[in-house]
Amino acid sequence: AQRVTQPEKLLSVFKGAPVELKCNYSYSGSPELFWYVQYSRQRLQLLLRHISRESIKGFTADLNKGETSFHLKKPFAQEEDSAMYYCALKNSGGSNYKLTFGKGTLLTVNP
Amino acid sequence: NAGVTQTPKFRILKIGQSMTLQCAQDMNHNYMYWYRQDPGMGLKLIYYSVGAGITDKGEVPNGYNVSRSTTEDFPLRLELAAPSQTSVYFCASSRDRGITEAFFGQGTRLTVV
Repeated sequence: AQRVTQPEKLLSVFKGAPVELKCNYSYSGSPELFWYVQYSRQRLQLLLRHISRESIKGFTADLNKGETSFHLKKPFAQEEDSAMYYCALKNSGGSNYKLTFGKGTLLTVNP
Repeated sequence: NAGVTQTPKFRILKIGQSMTLQCAQDMNHNYMYWYRQDPGMGLKLIYYSVGAGITDKGEVPNGYNVSRSTTEDFPLRLELAAPSQTSVYFCASSRDRGITEAFFGQGTRLTVV
């Protein structure tokens, strides 16, 4: 069974500090991983996908298959980064495709 | 650009009442999903659909039913509301089985009293 673990429910940093939101996954096949973000009173939206290897709003995430991790990083946090972040795994095996989310990490960036 | 539209945004139900949460998307997406979001618990998949006429259970399907008669619509039905169903419900859609983005609705906040 696929599983996504985000060990930190809450993460608080100061503006300008580096931030890392952890995500570990369990999946027997080849994973497709995503980071979604939910700003206050807004809908959930895609932030990053591992296949794109892109940097969005200064965030990057590298898939480490050896450690089964997909941690989200930003070198200098900004106050507008405060939001709920969800790591998600897409089941790409078989005939059905499901998106499994972690429990989320609430990031607060203090001034 | 409507994307994924959910109605209503808020609803208070009494125990035992029934209601349907509506979800519509205008992107011609095959895949649609219903999630519930509980504090500290993240998003849990209730039901999903891979196309019109095809639905399947997710992690927490008990107490809910779905139908998918058209590509656009994916309503979620609560037959006998219970306090445990108090939650925020999100509908989402994605294009196909490839590595594609899931688009979410704005959510329905449901309280069962």
